Amino acid sequence: AQSVTQLDSQVPVFEEAPVELRCNYSSSVSVYLFWYVQYPNQGLQLLLKYLSGSTLVKGINGFEAEFNKSQTSFHLRKPSVHISDTAEYFCAVGSSARQLTFGSGTQLTVLP
Amino acid sequence: KAGVTQTPRYLIKTRGQQVTLSCSPISGHRSVSWYQQTPGQGLQFLFEYFSETQRNKGNFPGRFSGRQFSNSRSEMNVSTLELGDSALYLCASSSTGGVNYGYTFGSGTRLTVV
Repeated sequence: AQSVTQLDSQVPVFEEAPVELRCNYSSSVSVYLFWYVQYPNQGLQLLLKYLSGSTLVKGINGFEAEFNKSQTSFHLRKPSVHISDTAEYFCAVGSSARQLTFGSGTQLTVLP
Repeated sequence: KAGVTQTPRYLIKTRGQQVTLSCSPISGHRSVSWYQQTPGQGLQFLFEYFSETQRNKGNFPGRFSGRQFSNSRSEMNVSTLELGDSALYLCASSSTGGVNYGYTFGSGTRLTVV
């Protein structure tokens, strides 16, 4: 069985400040890791994914994430956020079972 | 190319009724998955179809069903609606059917049961 824990339900941050959204996962098998973003009244948009290889993954909109196998973490970072980054962010883990298990989400609010 | 299209965007139904939601995947994508999103339970996997066959099913009662047509379009049906079925229902498509490539999600259908 797999599970995903997003440690912070809400993260407020000032514009142009750096941000880190934390994600820990639990799985007994090799996993694929994802971050998705959801804007109000929208579906989910893929930010980035880790399948294998380099543990530092770069995604869209200046986001990046680092896979840490020993700590079973996949934290999302951005060095400088903008108002437009305000949204809910979901970490997810996939496997050969062809389904994603999502975390409970982190609401990122960028303050002017 | 066009994204994943879900219709309708909003729906209000009464308890006990049934509802059908539609999803048109990205052209060429053969896998369609459905997820339910609620404030209490978050995002939960419903089922996945590939080439008209259900390959995987989540932990939902039999009132939730789906199907996929030969053109890869998919529908999900919920019978005997309950208040707790109020949710955003998201459809996602992928080309190979493997989550390792990530999904493309539609904008969802927001179902309200009154």
